[in-house]
Amino acid sequence: QVQLQQWGAGLMKPSETLSLTCAVKGGSFGSYYWSWIRQAPGKGLEWIGESSRYGDTNYSPSLKSRVSMSVDTSKNQFSLKLSSVTAADTAVYYCARGSMYYFVYWGQGTLVTVSS
Amino acid sequence: EIVLTQSPATLSLSPGERATLSCRASQRVSSSIAWYQQKPGQAPRLVMYDASTRATGIPGRFSGSGSGTDFTLTISSLEPEDFAVYYCQQRSNWVFTFGGGTKVEIK
Repeated sequence: QVQLQQWGAGLMKPSETLSLTCAVKGGSFGSYYWSWIRQAPGKGLEWIGESSRYGDTNYSPSLKSRVSMSVDTSKNQFSLKLSSVTAADTAVYYCARGSMYYFVYWGQGTLVTVSS
Repeated sequence: EIVLTQSPATLSLSPGERATLSCRASQRVSSSIAWYQQKPGQAPRLVMYDASTRATGIPGRFSGSGSGTDFTLTISSLEPEDFAVYYCQQRSNWVFTFGGGTKVEIK
C-alpha cells in the first residue's frame, strides 16, 4: 500500500522560502509523476506542479516563477520550494502521486501559515 | 488553461435522495475528467476517473458520465458518509486544473 508522508515548516514570514518534503512508502517511486497541490483555508484545490525521477518538471503557470521541485530517488522523497511567500500562500499543502491524468494517493497535508 | 466550472455550489439533499453534480470545461477536455470527494480535515479521495470509471473501493451508487466539455457525477441514493465537497479535475497541456467544488450538504 502506497503511503505519502510529508513534513515542513508550518509558520513562515513574508518573503521567506517555503520548503516541504514528501516521503514515498510502498509502491514504485520511479514510474510516476509526483505533484504538490494546495488548498487555501475554505477554498478549492490548486495544483502547484509535478516532477519525475528524471528531473522533468511541470509547473502551474501562475506559480512558475516562484516554484522549484526536485526528487531524491535514493531516499524515495520529493520536495517543493516556493519562494517569496506572502499571506496569499497560506494553505494546506498536499503531496500526491499522479498518473497521467489523476491523483490516487495523497499525503496527509501540511498547513503552512504565512504571517509577519 | 482550461477552466472547470462546477454547479451548483451547494446541493442540499436528504439521505436517500439522488445527487447530480455538474462540471463544465471552458474548452474540450482531451484527457477526460476525474472526481474527488473531500471531507473536513481530510485529503481528497479519488472517486471517479476517465469520467465514468469508479476508483477502487467506491460503491456502485456513484456513477459518472460525459465527454467533451460537460461532465456529471451522480450519487443515486445518498448515504450519510457521502455528504462532502466534490471536485472535478482535468489535465491538459501538462497542466492540471480543478473545479471550484460542489458541497453536498444534509438538508
